[in-house]
Amino acid sequence: TQLLEQSPQFLSIQEGENLTVYCNSSSVFSSLQWYRQEPGEGPVLLVTVVTGGEVKKLKRLTFQFGDARKDSSLHITAAQPGDTGLYLCAGTGAGGTSYGKLTFGQGTILTVHP
Amino acid sequence: KAGVTQTPRYLIKTRGQQVTLSCSPISGHRSVSWYQQTPGQGLQFLFEYFSETQRNKGNFPGRFSGRQFSNSRSEMNVSTLELGDSALYLCASSSLAGPLDEQFFGPGTRLTVL
Repeated sequence: TQLLEQSPQFLSIQEGENLTVYCNSSSVFSSLQWYRQEPGEGPVLLVTVVTGGEVKKLKRLTFQFGDARKDSSLHITAAQPGDTGLYLCAGTGAGGTSYGKLTFGQGTILTVHP
Repeated sequence: KAGVTQTPRYLIKTRGQQVTLSCSPISGHRSVSWYQQTPGQGLQFLFEYFSETQRNKGNFPGRFSGRQFSNSRSEMNVSTLELGDSALYLCASSSLAGPLDEQFFGPGTRLTVL
């Protein structure tokens, strides 16, 4: 069974601060996706990383996939109140048993105070 | 393109009843996956359908079932509802057949079992 451990679970920071969210596993994933979810809504895809060592940037957000494709991180620079939400990492395994199945981390609830 | 739609958005049922939830994928997407989201367990994979066939199934009891129609729309059914079935049920669609495809989520159906 593939598991993803996401940390921290809660993050409360002031506007302008930087933060990093981590997603770790003992399993190798074919790809890893980061989502953001607002209360009462479905997760919205932010990015997909596929290659070990890959780094992707989305404005103030930087996503990294570990060299061994077992871990990933999300770094936010100069956080803003609009960044508040639940951040989820999700991995796709390899093989037929992984069709359509994302394994999710527990999520990080981020609150950015003005 | 319209996004993934789910109906109804909210449902209140009592224990022992059954419920059917509906999901319309993004136009052209043939894969639909279903997830259950609860505060305690996070997002857990229920099953995935592709071209009307269930290709993958998570660790949920047989009370949870689903199907997909020829137009790729999908339904999931929960019979003999239990209090613990209260959750946000999310469906996600993707366009490709392989395991690396990105999934796009609907807004979810909030099910409350009394």
